[in-house]
Amino acid sequence: ETGVTQTPRHLVMGMTNKKSLKCEQHLGHNAMYWYKQSAKKPLELMFVYNFKEQTENNSVPSRFSPECPNSSHLFLHLHTLQPEDSALYLCASSQDTSSSGANVLTFGAGSRLTVL
Amino acid sequence: GQNIDQPTEMTATEGAIVQINCTYQTSGFNGLFWYQQHAGEAPTFLSYNVLDGLEEKGRFSSFLSRSKGYSYLLLKELQMKDSASYLCAVRDSNYQLIWGAGTKLIIKP
Repeated sequence: ETGVTQTPRHLVMGMTNKKSLKCEQHLGHNAMYWYKQSAKKPLELMFVYNFKEQTENNSVPSRFSPECPNSSHLFLHLHTLQPEDSALYLCASSQDTSSSGANVLTFGAGSRLTVL
Repeated sequence: GQNIDQPTEMTATEGAIVQINCTYQTSGFNGLFWYQQHAGEAPTFLSYNVLDGLEEKGRFSSFLSRSKGYSYLLLKELQMKDSASYLCAVRDSNYQLIWGAGTKLIIKP
């Protein structure tokens, strides 16, 4: 496989459930990101990891818990979510988080989350 | 605050040309990006502008004016497969990406 792969593609969960989203990249990148995409709104950055270290937590509620065991894998653990958390969750990777060059983000296709 | 403005939706005809505008007010500037996102798919990188002027890549071109806080994406010889959302993003002085809400482009035969 190449690129950035996200699983599951679709997830429906109740407010009391615990579930996890998984992201895997095969690009040799060192930075990985979680974004939230809601209809007609700008992408919201949630978390950034660079060389497995969390470098950004954008005031995200604690019901979202990221995990980055290595530079190729990123998880988003979900518990006691609210209906307003329903959205598309996008994972992305880039070479790193340095300021040199374009440092283009490569995105996965996203996990569509519905919270009932 | 920081802000990126782009039209919510545009419609164009197959074979024609369309220009999608993006204006920004950010704390500093370290490059502007355009991404394409088909429904249900990953956003994919189209272009990166850091200096003023026009960058051309096949049927797609991107223009930047830093003094005006303005960019546009020009799509020529439109094809049905160009129906997608187009996302504008600016990297600010802290190297954070500020995103627009995207422009949904509808191509009609």
